[in-house]
Amino acid sequence: EPEVTQTPSHQVTQMGQEVILRCVPISNHLYFYWYRQILGQKVEFLVSFYNNEISEKSEIFDDQFSVERPDGSNFTLKIRSTKLEDSAMYFCASSAGNYNEQFFGPGTRLTVL
Amino acid sequence: GENVEQHPSTLSVQEGDSAVIKCTYSDSASNYFPWYKQELGKRPQLIIDIRSNVGEKKDQRIAVTLNKTAKHFSLHITETQPEDSAVYFCAALPYYNDYKLSFGAGTTVTVRA
Repeated sequence: EPEVTQTPSHQVTQMGQEVILRCVPISNHLYFYWYRQILGQKVEFLVSFYNNEISEKSEIFDDQFSVERPDGSNFTLKIRSTKLEDSAMYFCASSAGNYNEQFFGPGTRLTVL
Repeated sequence: GENVEQHPSTLSVQEGDSAVIKCTYSDSASNYFPWYKQELGKRPQLIIDIRSNVGEKKDQRIAVTLNKTAKHFSLHITETQPEDSAVYFCAALPYYNDYKLSFGAGTTVTVRA
């Protein structure tokens, strides 16, 4: 069964550094998402991406964040200047349609020191 | 925007008993309600979902009910087993913003053997 994959599984960075989190969505999916989960808290929507553009973003997704689909398979989340409060698990998800099941990747645990 | 409340936050049940988790939503325009199960350190995985044109859906030991008038939906797990121990998240998606899935805070279910 196809799965969403994410790399790296764990990223440790210094405050102020840039990080890029990578995702490979399921190949025939058209909708891509990033979510964040701070330890012990709920999953929070960050951004959705369709047809090579952002379709929706939350208030968390400020100017420090950007997403890109650089080629036909990868979907990336960049945090330009990381803050301590960016420490969280970041999940990528993809779906075949906007009301279809969203399949989640295994997550990248980001630790900002 | 949509606000999803989930109760209880923790639930401990004896193996073989039933577990019920309840969620309420604020936006009457929401019409898709998935439930995700997240085992410790793993990705959220869809276990069942319901759309607003249906009042109840069942899949083996799992069922979901939806009351659109009262704006609440519930997950029912019957004959619980130790492998049902996990965090369960409800979510809602409005028809006018079909990219932004709003999650509840989660319920930690522990099934005692």
